[in-house]
Amino acid sequence: GAGVSQSPSNKVTEKGKDVELRCDPISGHTALYWYRQSLGQGLEFLIYFQGNSAPDKSGLPSDRFSAERTGGSVSTLTIQRTQQEDSAVYLCASSEDSRTYEQYFGPGTRLTVT
Amino acid sequence: GNSVTQMEGPVTLSEEAFLTINCTYTATGYPSLFWYVQYPGEGLQLLLKATKADDKGSNKGFEATYRKETTSFHLEKGSVQVSDSAVYFCALSDSLYSGGGADGLTFGKGTHLIIQP
Repeated sequence: GAGVSQSPSNKVTEKGKDVELRCDPISGHTALYWYRQSLGQGLEFLIYFQGNSAPDKSGLPSDRFSAERTGGSVSTLTIQRTQQEDSAVYLCASSEDSRTYEQYFGPGTRLTVT
Repeated sequence: GNSVTQMEGPVTLSEEAFLTINCTYTATGYPSLFWYVQYPGEGLQLLLKATKADDKGSNKGFEATYRKETTSFHLEKGSVQVSDSAVYFCALSDSLYSGGGADGLTFGKGTHLIIQP
């Protein structure tokens, strides 16, 4: 079936604007993950959802970052008042459930803050 | 906390050469270990995994053995091809803390592999 999809694939925004990134997981996958990939930091884990709930939000870089998931499917990662250091590729992954180790990754959203 | 250390490269080899990419880890619990690969212009793909000590993961001619005594999970391939050119990431999931895959993965910084014909 279809893999994890993310939109937009590329986003250029001005510093201070808000952005919303979308992730559509593999159908039937109950666990969903967000990561950030940047040159300086490599791949960082941001947040995990089991169903619609996120047990631990401590991986989010600052309070400008928030994420939600509705209907146990699509998730959005919102960055408010974007800063240049937010420029990165944001990756989403899903797995069958939280007990399953294999995570399937989407192609990512490349965010550039000017 | 958990961490993964791997050679960053770039690693440049000729076709049919033997490949080793070193990976060592520190973990609070008893982790599962993974190698992911990112081909140019594509997303991360799981290459292989091992969930307990002495397990060997293998796929597409690549192998890695979970060595608890040396906290290592080195990736090897006997004869590389140009199509293996990609970025390879070693990663762990700390199953003791999370009870499974509920944690995010902790990744190394990635090794850029370039295979020349």
